[in-house]
Amino acid sequence: EAGVVQSPRYKIIEKKQPVAFWCNPISGHNTLYWYLQNLGQGPELLIRYENEEAVDDSQLPKDRFSAERLKGVDSTLKIQPAELGDSAVYLCASSFVIAVSGELFFGEGSRLTVL
Amino acid sequence: QKEVEQDPGPLSVPEGAIVSLNCTYSNSAFQYFMWYRQYSRKGPELLMYTYSSGNKEDGRFTAQVDKSSKYISLFIRDSQPSDSATYLCAMSAGGSTLGRLYFGRGTQLTVWP
Repeated sequence: EAGVVQSPRYKIIEKKQPVAFWCNPISGHNTLYWYLQNLGQGPELLIRYENEEAVDDSQLPKDRFSAERLKGVDSTLKIQPAELGDSAVYLCASSFVIAVSGELFFGEGSRLTVL
Repeated sequence: QKEVEQDPGPLSVPEGAIVSLNCTYSNSAFQYFMWYRQYSRKGPELLMYTYSSGNKEDGRFTAQVDKSSKYISLFIRDSQPSDSATYLCAMSAGGSTLGRLYFGRGTQLTVWP
């Protein structure tokens, strides 16, 4: 069974440029998460989707970040414009339903460097 | 103060040692407690899950939760070089924040042969 697939794995951009990350969750998983992981820190939730609906986006900086999950499958996270402080790893995860037991399946992440 | 505190280490032990990792937390609403393992440049993977207080054992791994002290632990017996990774504790509450995990910063573990 294929895991959570993310692309690109690495991205280097200059500040003020836009960037987008794509995530394909495990087949059949209704819930999709985007987490931000800064160097030496644990992941922090940016947004959680249940099917197409964003049900928890309170930590998403909406002035520059946006996300969508069309048709309740793949998702895209966009940053426009990027700032130096956005350099981090963006992790996508999925679960069959709300992961009460914590069983989120994470992708390998998209590592962003903003110069 | 962060809701979940975890000593980042690094922790270096010889093969075969017993490893003790722990986290403290401040939110008494947390009911679900997890340990994730993260290898370098990989995503976290779930190791152990515990609901409320108590112990849970899975092979060489034992998770303990003490809600009265707001303290959770992970013990690794007979540690192996393949256990070298960053270990993240995570926890969640029910209600409106169901599905939101709060992670510690992770403890970097190295097991040398």
